[in-house]
Amino acid sequence: KAGVTQTPRYLIKTRGQQVTLSCSPISGHRSVSWYQQTPGQGLQFLFEYFSETQRNKGNFPGRFSGRQFSNSRSEMNVSTLELGDSALYLCASSLATLAASSGANVLTFGAGSRLTVL
Amino acid sequence: AQTVTQSQPEMSVQEAETVTLSCTYDTSENNYYLFWYKQPPSRQMILVIRQEAYKQQNATENRFSVNFQKAAKSFSLKISDSQLGDTAMYFCAFREDQFYFGTGTSLTVIP
Repeated sequence: KAGVTQTPRYLIKTRGQQVTLSCSPISGHRSVSWYQQTPGQGLQFLFEYFSETQRNKGNFPGRFSGRQFSNSRSEMNVSTLELGDSALYLCASSLATLAASSGANVLTFGAGSRLTVL
Repeated sequence: AQTVTQSQPEMSVQEAETVTLSCTYDTSENNYYLFWYKQPPSRQMILVIRQEAYKQQNATENRFSVNFQKAAKSFSLKISDSQLGDTAMYFCAFREDQFYFGTGTSLTVIP
């Protein structure tokens, strides 16, 4: 079956612009979580959506937002881009919500969207 | 706050040799899951192995095994018979209400 699909794969923006990234999870997966990956910082949790509801949010400013649609596809938006937002943004899907005590919470990652802010 | 620490930013190993990547974590919970993920150069992150905290037996997946020391909050990954395809960034991760990742260890397998 198809994996996690992220679009676009690469994009270049300038400071002050906004960007929207898309993630289509594995069929049947209802949880989508987003991560920011930068060198030396590893992966930082942005937020998780499950059944169209935001279940948890990481320590990022309000410029970072997201949503999930009824088909479980998710988008994240970053407004008023800053140079420090340059990163690889990873989306991951999971069968169950991350907070559930279940081995079904294994993450399957997409290839990522590499954002460069100039 | 939960944290995951990988103290080895870079490691290298000769092909066919064994290497161990270290990971420590901090939590006050008793039941949780631990994972090792692998991110090859320019490729997707994939799951290598996972461990349930209530299971005392260390998880094993072919050439990959873990040494889980719950009291010490240590979760190291051992790769046996290293292959060139094992060259990747390895992330240790811990899950409670969300996933917490370490900063990664870049492993290079030398021919």
